[in-house]
Amino acid sequence: GESVGLHLPTLSVQEGDNSIINCAYSNSASDYFIWYKQESGKGPQFIIDIRSNMDKRQGQRVTVLLNKTVKHLSLQIAATQPGDSAVYFCAENRSNDYKLSFGAGTTVTVRA
Amino acid sequence: DADVTQTPRNRITKTGKRIMLECSQTKGHDRMYWYRQDPGLGLQLIYYSFDVKDINKGEISDGYSVSRQAQAKFSLSLESAIPNQTALYFCATQGLAGGKQFFGPGTRLTVL
Repeated sequence: GESVGLHLPTLSVQEGDNSIINCAYSNSASDYFIWYKQESGKGPQFIIDIRSNMDKRQGQRVTVLLNKTVKHLSLQIAATQPGDSAVYFCAENRSNDYKLSFGAGTTVTVRA
Repeated sequence: DADVTQTPRNRITKTGKRIMLECSQTKGHDRMYWYRQDPGLGLQLIYYSFDVKDINKGEISDGYSVSRQAQAKFSLSLESAIPNQTALYFCATQGLAGGKQFFGPGTRLTVL
């Protein structure tokens, strides 16, 4: 699989490999985090979320990991498929008033 | 998400024209948001509303106005469009408990 140690704007992945997309957040008081997927020409779609009282949450082929010590969030996609090609955004609830703050996004390209 | 619709989907206009973008939702959510997306950037919050006639400025409200006359509808206006308002615009909804937001398909606005 391939991983991104720091947030990078693009990630190229071989089909079938695992992908890891990283995100750093800024506010230690943030207590809710979301990953969205945005395909070309579409609005962001919810993938998975996690609250700050958890370290890990799994969905279908996706896992979100939260490291509160270093304020780091990651999205792992297992067995990456061509349909996973998209821009992935992390978002945090920073102010506890339900607004979300979005990162710049990572463009994932899956190679056949 | 088909529960959140935006009209128009594409619009080309000229500098100085007044433009209104419409958002409608059938999710029964109280909270609605307008975001702007520029290439290579994340989503920036323009305005948000937590209830009918409740209006709050986001990060980049200058040059925009909104109206929330009904729970299901939230409109965004550009009183006098300028070229640097060329962008993708997304509407989103959120339930009272907070958490994930549901996005519409977006409006691509070009100001010449």
